[in-house]
Amino acid sequence: GEDVEQSLFLSVREGDSSVINCTYTDSSSTYLYWYKQEPGAGLQLLTYIFSNMDMKQDQRLTVLLNKKDKHLSLRIADTQTGDSAIYFCAEKGAAGTASKLTFGTGTRLQVTL
Amino acid sequence: DAGITQSPRHKVTETGTPVTLRCHQTENHRYMYWYRQDPGHGLRLIHYSYGVKDTDKGEVSDGYSVSRSKTEDFLLTLESATSSQTSVYFCAISSRDGNYGYTFGSGTRLTVV
Repeated sequence: GEDVEQSLFLSVREGDSSVINCTYTDSSSTYLYWYKQEPGAGLQLLTYIFSNMDMKQDQRLTVLLNKKDKHLSLRIADTQTGDSAIYFCAEKGAAGTASKLTFGTGTRLQVTL
Repeated sequence: DAGITQSPRHKVTETGTPVTLRCHQTENHRYMYWYRQDPGHGLRLIHYSYGVKDTDKGEVSDGYSVSRSKTEDFLLTLESATSSQTSVYFCAISSRDGNYGYTFGSGTRLTVV
């Protein structure tokens, strides 16, 4: 099956930028997503990008997509302690109702003072 | 999340007993999914449904069954619970083909002793 990989842990200082990276193997990916999970909670959709785009910005969040290298990144500007959470990358394969999301293992972001 | 609830939130059960987890939605979405979350594995799809009485297997379906007799309810049953099924279970819903992401419930933490 298709694979999505992320590094397990990232630590940044408050006020710095965070960059969380993700690689995937599905060359037919149509949409890619970033989800945030706070302790004891479900996953919250942060943003998504269509595969024919290479960048999407939404307030402090910037998503970069390199389709050739199958690499997705999430940049959080001015990282705050409230950004501490697990971040999941996910991809959706070829268009059609049979296509489900495949998730990465998640990156735990720790924000230090 | 508003519109999707899971019950129970926590459960401890003994090996060999049957267990049923419930997912209820008020969004009238066609698609519903059950995932399990385990450290080092991210989220893995167990089963999904694309309509009443229409279900299919995901990547880790062994030992699980599902039923969907109404649009709003999707039940996950562990026929005979094993310790390897100790996990956090998440239900998710999506409209149509899910291009704009899934909405997740708050999860059920299941411990099999």
